[in-house]
Amino acid sequence: GQNIDQPTEMTATEGAIVQINCTYQTSGFNGLFWYQQHAGEAPTFLSYNVLDGLEEKGRFSSFLSRSKGYSYLLLKELQMKDSASYLCAVLDSNYQLIWGAGTKLIIKP
Amino acid sequence: DGGITQSPKYLFRKEGQNVTLSCEQNLNHDAMYWYRQDPGQGLRLIYYSQIVNDFQKGDIAEGYSVSREKKESFPLTVTSAQKNPTAFYLCASQNGEGGVTGELFFGEGSRLTVL
Repeated sequence: GQNIDQPTEMTATEGAIVQINCTYQTSGFNGLFWYQQHAGEAPTFLSYNVLDGLEEKGRFSSFLSRSKGYSYLLLKELQMKDSASYLCAVLDSNYQLIWGAGTKLIIKP
Repeated sequence: DGGITQSPKYLFRKEGQNVTLSCEQNLNHDAMYWYRQDPGQGLRLIYYSQIVNDFQKGDIAEGYSVSREKKESFPLTVTSAQKNPTAFYLCASQNGEGGVTGELFFGEGSRLTVL
């Protein structure tokens, strides 16, 4: 079966750096997405990786290793507004999105 | 402003009743999707449509129905056959020009509670 694994919850301190990991086993791979979702709201797009390596976008960066079936989202200079769930999703060989359950990130002052 | 509008935001239903959730987009996107989100689980695909007058079942289509009579609209009906309908429902659209790798744009969601 297809599977996406993320930690359920993480806690970090304002101003610090946090890394949220995502591992996947899917039938084929056509890219990996990260979305941010604040409680009770819609997910919003953060990043898309299809090639190995690091993609940097402001305070957020996303890394992909296809050989390891692994990605991480790196958040720097954490702000209170970064408290949210972070969803990892993989596009499989049929171009269907497979979603992880999300990682709830709690930021403490 | 372009975007996706879902309504209602909150909805209460008695057992045995059908209910329809609205999803309208003015982004001129070809593809539209309905997802269900439950606590502790990933988004699960209910139905999707790549073009007007055509739609496909997702992973959990049983107890749901959709229509796509207009490009802008993709309503979802939760029927009485859906055994556990209480959930957060998300509608999304995708620009066909971006190909299958285009990002999804989500509506604000509709929270359905069955009493």
